[in-house]
Amino acid sequence: QSVLTQPPSASGTPGQRVTISCSGSSSNIGSNTVKWYQQLPRTAPKLLIYSNNQRPSGVPDRFSGSKSGTSASLAISGLQSEDEADYYCAAWDDSLNGRVFGGGTKLTVL
Amino acid sequence: QVQLVQSGAEVKKPGASVKVSCKASGYTFTNYHMQWVRQAPGQGLEWMGIINPSGGRTSYAQKFQGRVTMTRDTSTNTVYMELSSLRYEDTAVYYCAIWTTGTDYDHWGQGTLVTVSS
Repeated sequence: QSVLTQPPSASGTPGQRVTISCSGSSSNIGSNTVKWYQQLPRTAPKLLIYSNNQRPSGVPDRFSGSKSGTSASLAISGLQSEDEADYYCAAWDDSLNGRVFGGGTKLTVL
Repeated sequence: QVQLVQSGAEVKKPGASVKVSCKASGYTFTNYHMQWVRQAPGQGLEWMGIINPSGGRTSYAQKFQGRVTMTRDTSTNTVYMELSSLRYEDTAVYYCAIWTTGTDYDHWGQGTLVTVSS
């Protein structure tokens, strides 16, 4: 049972826009910034979004993040086949004094 | 460039201990806290704890307290994560990582598969 709640799966067709949600509480998302990671099979997670909505250099602007209250979202527009991966949200939790992750969302490009 | 190179896969029996290493290069070793995250097969990411390579101070997730020990060797820029009293459910890929809040400084090791099997 993950502290942050994500839908287990999401899907879309090429060119579509998909959104992945991440729900937390006042001790994590509500008081700290959110990161999003993309994980391809058998590889380490790759940073996609930091500080709620900032993209590292090299990450396409098709990826965007937002945060409101105790929830965050990752949006992927112009969906491409190479976007098929697992996506995780993460934040620091002040009550647990540790980093917490969402359970992950498996994105399928139909 | 930043590199975190982890030790190889391990197979351990239930009740044994495992020690995974993470050798850092490409940055000032004592400037960034090292984190450990694990991922069981087909499961999500789970934060285990953190070590400050500068003074060696550690903080562990409550779930692992009493079973995990993180240490560092500043002469070789290496961090170690030892997990004891292994159970079948400890079978996972273990990652070391460094990251900061508010920047895109975020680097992970390649992962070390630890299999607990009798």
